[in-house]
Amino acid sequence: GAVVSQHPSWVICKSGTSVKIECRSLDFQATTMFWYRQFPKQSLMLMATSNEGSKATYEQGVEKDKFLINHASLTLSTLTVTSAHPEDSSFYICSARSLLAAYNEQFFGPGTRLTVL
Amino acid sequence: QKEVEQDPGPLSVPEGAIVSLNCTYSNSAFQYFMWYRQYSRKGPELLMYTYSSGNKEDGRFTAQVDKSSKYISLFIRDSQPSDSATYLCAMSGDQTGANNLFFGTGTRLTVIP
Repeated sequence: GAVVSQHPSWVICKSGTSVKIECRSLDFQATTMFWYRQFPKQSLMLMATSNEGSKATYEQGVEKDKFLINHASLTLSTLTVTSAHPEDSSFYICSARSLLAAYNEQFFGPGTRLTVL
Repeated sequence: QKEVEQDPGPLSVPEGAIVSLNCTYSNSAFQYFMWYRQYSRKGPELLMYTYSSGNKEDGRFTAQVDKSSKYISLFIRDSQPSDSATYLCAMSGDQTGANNLFFGTGTRLTVIP
């Protein structure tokens, strides 16, 4: 149980295009989903927290107009990188917290590697 | 000062060795402590979870929390090549609230056959 999927697993795009990444909790309902970015050999950096049906809360320094987050249901959140540039190339990981979680455990997706040319 | 400090390594040990991974933290409000394992190009997976101070053992893994020193450890006994991964400590201050997880930078471990 507690499986989180991400799609696509990797994507290459041209500078200026937009890319959408999906995060799904497959066998549980997620009250909250989190989006992280991870650069090589660095730790996870929280970008934003999203709750189903409400606006995402962005961390300081993360542009909300550039990284659009939609949490349409208890099992799906999407991150859209708008007008992507090479500096947006990174490993994007989502996580989900279960409605039934006894503590603040987050289940992570496998990540999406974005390369912007 | 970062909320959570973790030596990034890399750490290389021979197969069968005991591995000790550590994190320190500054926020005394942290109550929940987790260790995640992350293989290359994969998302993190939860290894161990502990609440407050004390020890917890699961197979070859033992997690220790010393809240008085603000110091947590993960021990791996009889290390195997399959343990080669990056280990991230994480912690939070609230059980079910909106508080986020605070991660260490991760320690890259290689177990040499």
